[in-house]
Amino acid sequence: RKEVEQDPGPFNVPEGATVAFNCTYSNSASQSFFWYRQDCRKEPKLLMSVYSSGNEDGRFTAQLNRASQYISLLIRDSKLSDSATYLCVVTRGNQGGKLIFGQGTELSVKP
Amino acid sequence: GAGVSQSPRYKVAKRGQDVALRCDPISGHVSLFWYQQALGQGPEFLTYFQNEAQLDKSGLPSDRFFAERPEGSVSTLKIQRTQQEDSAVYLCASSLLGQGTEAFFGQGTRLTVV
Repeated sequence: RKEVEQDPGPFNVPEGATVAFNCTYSNSASQSFFWYRQDCRKEPKLLMSVYSSGNEDGRFTAQLNRASQYISLLIRDSKLSDSATYLCVVTRGNQGGKLIFGQGTELSVKP
Repeated sequence: GAGVSQSPRYKVAKRGQDVALRCDPISGHVSLFWYQQALGQGPEFLTYFQNEAQLDKSGLPSDRFFAERPEGSVSTLKIQRTQQEDSAVYLCASSLLGQGTEAFFGQGTRLTVV
């Protein structure tokens, strides 16, 4: 079992739809949490950090439930430009910020 | 540019050949990471440097893989006697030291072993 697991993809949604991605992590020592975005044949880029209180950045909302070891990302009013792979990422303490990635969930937004 | 730079962008190697992949991190970034990404998968951790010290190499798949960062800046990932299963994108990332700091990735080197 992988340390970080995500919903299998791909998600195919129409423009304007709301889509939610889920992620679970198995190591309770995980300390920091992120969503990265990776476009086809490009490098991963930070989309947003995830805080215990939940946080929002425009159309994107991230939630963290430490008790359930669960992370989510909600995208409202999907745009064509949101099409990408979304990677759930955790770090553990005392490992210098080593990122542990989920396998990613592919999103395709159609007109 | 000021980002993480990797070279070469593409490398085709014959099975059994040795390869060297280079990473130029962002100036001043203490932490440097190497990841391997197979098609359709998330990046898998290979190794981590803090300045010139290799603090974690638990992800290196075999003793054919070797990484160094002798002066705490540029890093090289070397793969000896390449095999077909080594075909992947090799990503380098750098960050300022500390938990929760953003890691910046290079565009990767796509290695194909034939």
